[in-house]
Amino acid sequence: DAGVIQSPRHEVTEMGQEVTLRCKPISGHDYLFWYRQTMMRGLELLIYFNNNVPIDDSGMPEDRFSAKMPNASFSTLKIQPSEPRDSAVYFCASSLDEGLSNQPQHFGDGTRLSIL
Amino acid sequence: TQLLEQSPQFLSIQEGENLTVYCNSSSVFSSLQWYRQEPGEGPVLLVTVVTGGEVKKLKRLTFQFGDARKDSSLHITAAQPGDTGLYLCAGLSSNDYKLSFGAGTTVTVRA
Repeated sequence: DAGVIQSPRHEVTEMGQEVTLRCKPISGHDYLFWYRQTMMRGLELLIYFNNNVPIDDSGMPEDRFSAKMPNASFSTLKIQPSEPRDSAVYFCASSLDEGLSNQPQHFGDGTRLSIL
Repeated sequence: TQLLEQSPQFLSIQEGENLTVYCNSSSVFSSLQWYRQEPGEGPVLLVTVVTGGEVKKLKRLTFQFGDARKDSSLHITAAQPGDTGLYLCAGLSSNDYKLSFGAGTTVTVRA
């Protein structure tokens, strides 16, 4: 079975441009998570969805960030306008609804974003 | 401020030596997970511990969950270069599905 697929793997763009990151979760997984990883702050949860519905977006840093999940097999994270401090590795993860105590998250390989 | 504090931040040892990584918090978690992340890849789950005092073994890796479910440790026996990576602990809140990650411990095993 294919794992979580993210695209693009690398993105370099200029400040002010719109950036769209894409994620295809593992088929059948009910939960989808977007994380950001930096050296300074480690791995931070930005937002997560359950059955395509956003449940908690309290980790989204600013209004410049938005995420959608139009169907069970696709999600996007958009930054508009982008700023240099948004540079990081963005991960998407998905998991089955197995209950609170046993919930492995399966991560994609991430998108390395550089804003110049 | 990290909800989960990992120590040490960096660890470099010789092949064959043992090592222990610690994960501490003032919060109680319903479960705690350990992940390993290699460069250019996402974290991969190693183990989930659920019960206070629980010990799980995965080949040369031993994971322990504290009695109060606030802390955990990862011990590697006879480390090998293939154990090199970033080790992350993550606590699952008892209120929601959110994982809180520690900052990680970078382990380097020299041949």
